[in-house]
Amino acid sequence: DVKVTQSSRYLVKRTGEKVFLECVQDMDHENMFWYRQDPGLGLRLIYFSYDVKMKEKGDIPEGYSVSREKKERFSLILESASTNQTSMYLCASRKGLAGDTQYFGPGTRLTVL
Amino acid sequence: RKEVEQDPGPFNVPEGATVAFNCTYSNSASQSFFWYRQDCRKEPKLLMSVYSSGNEDGRFTAQLNRASQYISLLIRDSKLSDSATYLCVVNTNAGKSTFGDGTTLTVKP
Repeated sequence: DVKVTQSSRYLVKRTGEKVFLECVQDMDHENMFWYRQDPGLGLRLIYFSYDVKMKEKGDIPEGYSVSREKKERFSLILESASTNQTSMYLCASRKGLAGDTQYFGPGTRLTVL
Repeated sequence: RKEVEQDPGPFNVPEGATVAFNCTYSNSASQSFFWYRQDCRKEPKLLMSVYSSGNEDGRFTAQLNRASQYISLLIRDSKLSDSATYLCVVNTNAGKSTFGDGTTLTVKP
Protein backbone atom coordinates (compact mmCIF):
# COMPACT_ATOMS: atom_id res chain seq x y z
CA ASP A 1 0.00 0.00 0.00
CA VAL A 2 1.08 3.50 -0.82
CA LYS A 3 2.57 5.39 2.07
CA VAL A 4 3.77 8.93 2.67
CA THR A 5 4.81 9.77 6.20
CA GLN A 6 5.65 13.08 7.82
CA SER A 7 7.89 13.48 10.82
CA SER A 8 5.42 15.23 13.10
CA ARG A 9 1.65 15.68 13.24
CA TYR A 10 1.86 18.75 15.46
CA LEU A 11 4.74 21.12 16.03
CA VAL A 12 5.05 24.31 18.07
CA LYS A 13 8.03 26.57 17.47
CA ARG A 14 9.08 30.08 18.41
CA THR A 15 9.67 32.97 16.05
CA GLY A 16 13.19 32.87 14.64
CA GLU A 17 13.74 29.16 15.16
CA LYS A 18 14.95 26.95 12.35
CA VAL A 19 12.35 24.31 11.57
CA PHE A 20 12.75 21.04 9.69
CA LEU A 21 9.77 19.15 8.33
CA GLU A 22 10.55 15.75 6.90
CA CYS A 23 8.63 13.62 4.47
CA VAL A 24 9.33 10.04 3.44
CA GLN A 25 7.63 7.98 0.74
CA ASP A 26 8.05 4.27 0.14
CA MET A 27 6.72 4.12 -3.41
CA ASP A 28 9.92 4.92 -5.33
CA HIS A 29 8.26 8.05 -6.73
CA GLU A 30 10.34 10.55 -8.64
CA ASN A 31 8.28 13.61 -7.75
CA MET A 32 7.72 15.05 -4.31
CA PHE A 33 5.90 18.20 -3.22
CA TRP A 34 5.44 20.47 -0.26
CA TYR A 35 2.19 22.42 0.14
CA ARG A 36 0.70 24.56 2.82
CA GLN A 37 -3.03 24.69 3.40
CA ASP A 38 -4.75 27.66 4.98
CA PRO A 39 -8.46 28.40 5.42
CA GLY A 40 -9.79 30.37 2.47
CA LEU A 41 -6.54 29.97 0.51
CA GLY A 42 -6.62 26.28 -0.32
CA LEU A 43 -3.48 24.27 -1.00
CA ARG A 44 -0.53 26.29 -2.23
CA LEU A 45 2.64 24.77 -3.64
CA ILE A 46 5.83 25.79 -1.85
CA TYR A 47 8.45 23.66 -3.61
CA PHE A 48 8.64 20.47 -5.56
CA SER A 49 11.36 18.08 -6.63
CA TYR A 50 11.36 15.82 -9.66
CA ASP A 51 14.59 14.00 -8.86
CA VAL A 52 17.26 13.66 -6.22
CA LYS A 53 19.04 16.96 -5.62
CA MET A 54 16.63 18.73 -7.99
CA LYS A 55 14.15 21.33 -6.81
CA GLU A 56 11.78 23.84 -8.30
CA LYS A 57 10.06 26.79 -6.70
CA GLY A 58 6.34 26.62 -6.41
CA ASP A 59 3.95 29.52 -5.96
CA ILE A 60 5.05 30.63 -2.50
CA PRO A 61 8.72 29.69 -1.90
CA GLU A 62 9.68 32.78 0.10
CA GLY A 63 10.87 31.95 3.58
CA TYR A 64 11.35 28.25 2.76
CA SER A 65 14.03 25.99 1.38
CA VAL A 66 14.08 22.29 0.60
CA SER A 67 16.48 19.39 0.44
CA ARG A 68 16.29 16.12 -1.43
CA GLU A 69 19.40 14.04 -0.85
CA LYS A 70 17.67 10.69 -1.25
CA LYS A 71 14.83 9.71 -3.53
CA GLU A 72 12.50 8.76 -0.72
CA ARG A 73 13.02 11.82 1.47
CA PHE A 74 12.07 15.45 0.91
CA SER A 75 12.67 18.01 3.64
CA LEU A 76 11.15 21.44 4.05
CA ILE A 77 13.19 23.97 5.99
CA LEU A 78 12.02 27.19 7.55
CA GLU A 79 15.27 29.08 8.08
CA SER A 80 13.77 31.54 10.56
CA ALA A 81 10.19 30.74 11.43
CA SER A 82 7.67 33.56 11.51
CA THR A 83 4.11 33.69 12.80
CA ASN A 84 2.73 33.91 9.25
CA GLN A 85 4.15 30.46 8.62
CA THR A 86 1.69 28.95 11.06
CA SER A 87 -0.18 26.53 8.83
CA MET A 88 -0.90 22.93 7.88
CA TYR A 89 1.97 21.55 5.81
CA LEU A 90 1.27 18.67 3.47
CA CYS A 91 3.81 16.57 1.66
CA ALA A 92 2.88 14.60 -1.45
CA SER A 93 4.55 12.29 -3.92
CA ARG A 94 3.77 11.24 -7.46
CA LYS A 95 5.27 8.71 -9.82
CA GLY A 96 5.24 10.55 -13.13
CA LEU A 97 4.37 14.02 -14.31
CA ALA A 98 0.92 15.15 -15.25
CA GLY A 99 -1.28 12.12 -15.38
CA ASP A 100 -0.51 10.33 -12.17
CA THR A 101 -2.09 10.54 -8.76
CA GLN A 102 -0.54 12.49 -5.93
CA TYR A 103 -0.42 10.73 -2.59
CA PHE A 104 -0.41 12.90 0.48
CA GLY A 105 1.07 12.47 3.91
CA PRO A 106 -1.07 13.10 7.00
CA GLY A 107 0.13 16.68 7.37
CA THR A 108 2.03 18.63 10.01
CA ARG A 109 0.20 21.37 11.81
CA LEU A 110 2.86 23.94 12.63
CA THR A 111 2.25 26.75 15.08
CA VAL A 112 4.82 29.53 15.33
CA LEU A 113 4.52 31.62 18.47
CA ARG B 1 -8.41 35.55 -10.91
CA LYS B 2 -7.46 32.14 -9.55
CA GLU B 3 -6.21 29.48 -11.93
CA VAL B 4 -8.72 26.97 -10.61
CA GLU B 5 -12.06 28.09 -9.21
CA GLN B 6 -14.71 26.04 -7.51
CA ASP B 7 -18.21 26.63 -6.25
CA PRO B 8 -17.51 27.93 -2.76
CA GLY B 9 -20.35 26.06 -1.07
CA PRO B 10 -21.16 24.97 1.50
CA PHE B 11 -23.64 22.53 0.10
CA ASN B 12 -26.08 21.14 2.65
CA VAL B 13 -28.21 18.34 1.22
CA PRO B 14 -30.45 15.59 2.60
CA GLU B 15 -29.51 11.95 2.30
CA GLY B 16 -30.44 10.57 -1.09
CA ALA B 17 -30.08 13.89 -2.88
CA THR B 18 -28.11 14.43 -6.05
CA VAL B 19 -25.52 17.19 -5.88
CA ALA B 20 -23.18 18.62 -8.50
CA PHE B 21 -19.97 20.58 -8.14
CA ASN B 22 -18.30 22.59 -10.86
CA CYS B 23 -14.74 23.70 -11.29
CA THR B 24 -13.29 26.04 -13.92
CA TYR B 25 -9.66 26.37 -14.91
CA SER B 26 -7.90 29.13 -16.80
CA ASN B 27 -4.76 27.45 -18.13
CA SER B 28 -5.53 26.04 -21.58
CA ALA B 29 -2.34 23.92 -21.34
CA SER B 30 -3.89 21.88 -18.55
CA GLN B 31 -3.39 18.22 -19.20
CA SER B 32 -5.04 16.11 -16.55
CA PHE B 33 -7.78 16.57 -14.04
CA PHE B 34 -8.79 15.03 -10.75
CA TRP B 35 -11.25 15.23 -7.91
CA TYR B 36 -9.87 14.71 -4.43
CA ARG B 37 -11.79 14.31 -1.22
CA GLN B 38 -10.57 15.77 2.07
CA ASP B 39 -12.14 14.89 5.39
CA CYS B 40 -11.85 17.26 8.31
CA ARG B 41 -8.29 17.38 9.66
CA LYS B 42 -7.15 14.73 7.20
CA GLU B 43 -5.07 14.75 4.06
CA PRO B 44 -6.61 14.91 0.57
CA LYS B 45 -7.17 11.57 -1.10
CA LEU B 46 -7.91 10.84 -4.73
CA LEU B 47 -11.59 10.37 -5.42
CA MET B 48 -11.35 9.97 -9.16
CA SER B 49 -9.51 11.07 -12.26
CA VAL B 50 -11.49 12.92 -14.90
CA TYR B 51 -11.28 11.71 -18.47
CA SER B 52 -12.26 13.51 -21.64
CA SER B 53 -15.09 11.11 -22.34
CA GLY B 54 -16.44 11.39 -18.82
CA ASN B 55 -16.25 8.60 -16.29
CA GLU B 56 -18.29 7.04 -13.59
CA ASP B 57 -17.43 5.24 -10.38
CA GLY B 58 -20.50 3.98 -8.61
CA ARG B 59 -22.53 6.99 -7.48
CA PHE B 60 -19.91 9.43 -8.70
CA THR B 61 -19.70 10.84 -12.23
CA ALA B 62 -16.98 13.17 -13.45
CA GLN B 63 -17.05 15.14 -16.67
CA LEU B 64 -14.61 17.35 -18.52
CA ASN B 65 -15.41 20.08 -21.00
CA ARG B 66 -12.14 21.24 -22.55
CA ALA B 67 -13.76 23.83 -24.78
CA SER B 68 -15.32 25.63 -21.82
CA GLN B 69 -12.50 24.67 -19.46
CA TYR B 70 -14.51 23.20 -16.67
CA ILE B 71 -14.89 19.90 -14.91
CA SER B 72 -17.78 18.65 -12.86
CA LEU B 73 -18.53 16.06 -10.21
CA LEU B 74 -21.98 14.59 -9.74
CA ILE B 75 -22.86 12.61 -6.65
CA ARG B 76 -26.07 10.61 -6.77
CA ASP B 77 -27.95 9.17 -3.81
CA SER B 78 -25.85 11.10 -1.27
CA LYS B 79 -24.79 9.29 1.88
CA LEU B 80 -23.89 10.75 5.25
CA SER B 81 -20.36 9.46 4.63
CA ASP B 82 -20.05 11.68 1.56
CA SER B 83 -19.76 14.72 3.86
CA ALA B 84 -16.32 16.15 3.13
CA THR B 85 -14.54 18.86 1.17
CA TYR B 86 -14.09 18.11 -2.52
CA LEU B 87 -11.03 19.53 -4.22
CA CYS B 88 -10.66 20.03 -7.94
CA VAL B 89 -7.07 19.52 -9.16
CA VAL B 90 -5.64 20.49 -12.53
CA ASN B 91 -2.21 19.41 -13.79
CA THR B 92 -0.22 20.94 -16.60
CA ASN B 93 1.91 18.67 -18.77
CA ALA B 94 4.94 20.13 -17.00
CA GLY B 95 3.68 18.43 -13.88
CA LYS B 96 2.46 21.40 -11.91
CA SER B 97 -0.70 20.77 -9.90
CA THR B 98 -3.09 23.55 -9.03
CA PHE B 99 -5.79 22.95 -6.46
CA GLY B 100 -9.12 24.61 -6.13
CA ASP B 101 -10.08 25.93 -2.71
CA GLY B 102 -12.55 23.12 -2.26
CA THR B 103 -16.29 22.80 -1.89
CA THR B 104 -17.71 21.61 1.40
CA LEU B 105 -20.54 19.12 1.32
CA THR B 106 -22.65 18.21 4.32
CA VAL B 107 -25.18 15.43 3.91
CA LYS B 108 -27.85 15.46 6.58
CA PRO B 109 -30.17 12.68 7.72
